[in-house]
Amino acid sequence: DAGVIQSPRHEVTEMGQEVTLRCKPISGHDYLFWYRQTMMRGLELLIYFNNNVPIDDSGMPEDRFSAKMPNASFSTLKIQPSEPRDSAVYFCASSFRRDTGELFFGEGSRLTVL
Amino acid sequence: AQRVTQPEKLLSVFKGAPVELKCNYSYSGSPELFWYVQYSRQRLQLLLRHISRESIKGFTADLNKGETSFHLKKPFAQEEDSAMYYCALTDYGQNFVFGPGTRLSVLP
Repeated sequence: DAGVIQSPRHEVTEMGQEVTLRCKPISGHDYLFWYRQTMMRGLELLIYFNNNVPIDDSGMPEDRFSAKMPNASFSTLKIQPSEPRDSAVYFCASSFRRDTGELFFGEGSRLTVL
Repeated sequence: AQRVTQPEKLLSVFKGAPVELKCNYSYSGSPELFWYVQYSRQRLQLLLRHISRESIKGFTADLNKGETSFHLKKPFAQEEDSAMYYCALTDYGQNFVFGPGTRLSVLP
């Protein structure tokens, strides 16, 4: 398995534009997590899914952020409209609950909003 | 609520010196504790977990339930240990909560 795959790796956009980040978890994993990493706040959990169902989205900053998981192999994180303060690295991670619970991370999507 | 704290944002030590990265947590049940590491330009990866009680790259961590701590230790730091270290807590593999991270810098 290639591991958790995220795209795009880098995204530069202008304030007000829509941004869509994508994630393909490891096959067979039943949990998927979206994190945001910034220098100021470290690694923040935004939302996580279990079997494609959102379980906890309390970390989603505001209504501009939305996440979906239409099937077991794909998830999106959308920001509309984007703002400069959304600039961060967004990580997707997946895990298999019946395992020890280890999280496997993607390489991250670095977002810059001008 | 679950919470993980790492009091040091940055820790600098000289090569060969002992290093201890502190981690404290608050959780009402029996959580699983992990240390994750992020080397420069690499993805976050698991370093070690408390249930396996193993030593990885010379690092060890002991879970102290009385003090609710899970400090990461290494007797002799190496330059290649320089990285960002995150302590994390999970309740049976469901939610994962990370601490704010400590950047370890090992000086030559």
